[in-house]
Amino acid sequence: AQSVTQPDIHITVSEGASLELRCNYSYGATPYLFWYVQSPGQGLQLLLKYFSGDTLVQGIKGFEAEFKRSQSSFNLRKPSVHWSDAAEYFCAVGRQNNNDMRFGAGTRLTVKP
Amino acid sequence: EAGVAQSPRYKIIEKRQSVAFWCNPISGHATLYWYQQILGQGPKLLIQFQNNGVVDDSQLPKDRFSAERLKGVDSTLKIQPAKLEDSAVYLCASSLGAGGGGNTIYFGEGSWLTVV
Repeated sequence: AQSVTQPDIHITVSEGASLELRCNYSYGATPYLFWYVQSPGQGLQLLLKYFSGDTLVQGIKGFEAEFKRSQSSFNLRKPSVHWSDAAEYFCAVGRQNNNDMRFGAGTRLTVKP
Repeated sequence: EAGVAQSPRYKIIEKRQSVAFWCNPISGHATLYWYQQILGQGPKLLIQFQNNGVVDDSQLPKDRFSAERLKGVDSTLKIQPAKLEDSAVYLCASSLGAGGGGNTIYFGEGSWLTVV
């Protein structure tokens, strides 16, 4: 079965600084990869997804992620963080013909003023 | 477009009591999911329905958890009897088809359960 590792439990960045959240996956075939964001007391909102094609995908709220097959990674990036980006971020991996989607444990982002 | 609706949002019960959560997916979405999210962890799939049939319930603790989607629309998740370790957020989600085919999964805001 597929699995996801988010190595960083908690990250703190200053407002305006750049951000990179790490995600490593384990899956034998081509994965479907997702990043979701969860604000306190809210459900999960999809930021972006990768199924095939261009390995650099653009998402909402100025986020992007790059799929690197050689490193089994799908890191999330944002050039300039806003205070409203403070939330929990989840990476997830799914399979092509089944939506047995597995989530990582999440990375909590704190934004300093 | 209305999102995934869940109720109740918050519930506190004593251990060994029962509780039920309701979910109404996005209109037209054939696939419905229930996830359990324990504090500090990512969501874990409990059960997946395709219309009113079960696709995957391999991680559902069937001795105490049950779920149904009788008419292929709304769904109910029940826990009976509840244990302390069932304290979690129960997330309902839906997608047009099986998400692995490229369909995005949309999540509700969750039902927060505390078992004391």
